[in-house]
Amino acid sequence: EAGVAQSPRYKIIEKRQSVAFWCNPISGHATLYWYQQILGQGPKLLIQFQNNGVVDDSQLPKDRFSAERLKGVDSTLKIQPAKLEDSAVYLCASSQDRASGELFFGEGSRLTVL
Amino acid sequence: GESVGLHLPTLSVQEGDNSIINCAYSNSASDYFIWYKQESGKGPQFIIDIRSNMDKRQGQRVTVLLNKTVKHLSLQIAATQPGDSAVYFCAEIGWGGSQGNLIFGKGTKLSVKP
Repeated sequence: EAGVAQSPRYKIIEKRQSVAFWCNPISGHATLYWYQQILGQGPKLLIQFQNNGVVDDSQLPKDRFSAERLKGVDSTLKIQPAKLEDSAVYLCASSQDRASGELFFGEGSRLTVL
Repeated sequence: GESVGLHLPTLSVQEGDNSIINCAYSNSASDYFIWYKQESGKGPQFIIDIRSNMDKRQGQRVTVLLNKTVKHLSLQIAATQPGDSAVYFCAEIGWGGSQGNLIFGKGTKLSVKP
């Protein structure tokens, strides 16, 4: 079974530039998550989708971050404009349903903002 | 703030010994806890979970203990191997404002000495 795919693996940009990350979840997983993991910390939820609807985006900085999950499969996370403090690993995860604590994570996209 | 935390940021054990990683939580209403393992450069990987109606659950070489009285859980790894070297996160399903989302603690780094 293929795992969660993310791209790009690494991205370096200057502040105020924009960046987009892509995620392809495990086939059949209805729930998709984007987490932000700053170095030395645990992952922090940014947004959760159930199919193509947003369930929780309470911790998403909506002035600069946006995410969508068209057709309930792939998802993109965009940052515009980026700030220095956005440097982190952006992890995408999927699960079969919202009640499951077993999330399947991708390898993440490491963002460095200079 | 986070309701899940860890007692020790690092743990070093000898290969073959048993490892115990501890975690405290503050929300007495939390009823579902999960342990994740994160190797360098990878996303977190599900290890084992436990619900509040249990106080112990065993997997392959791992045991999770839950003490609801003192709001503490632990992960025990038997016969620790070099491949167990990673950061371990306890996580809980947060309810109310978190709408059932996974909340991660800060993590404990386990190093296995040969």
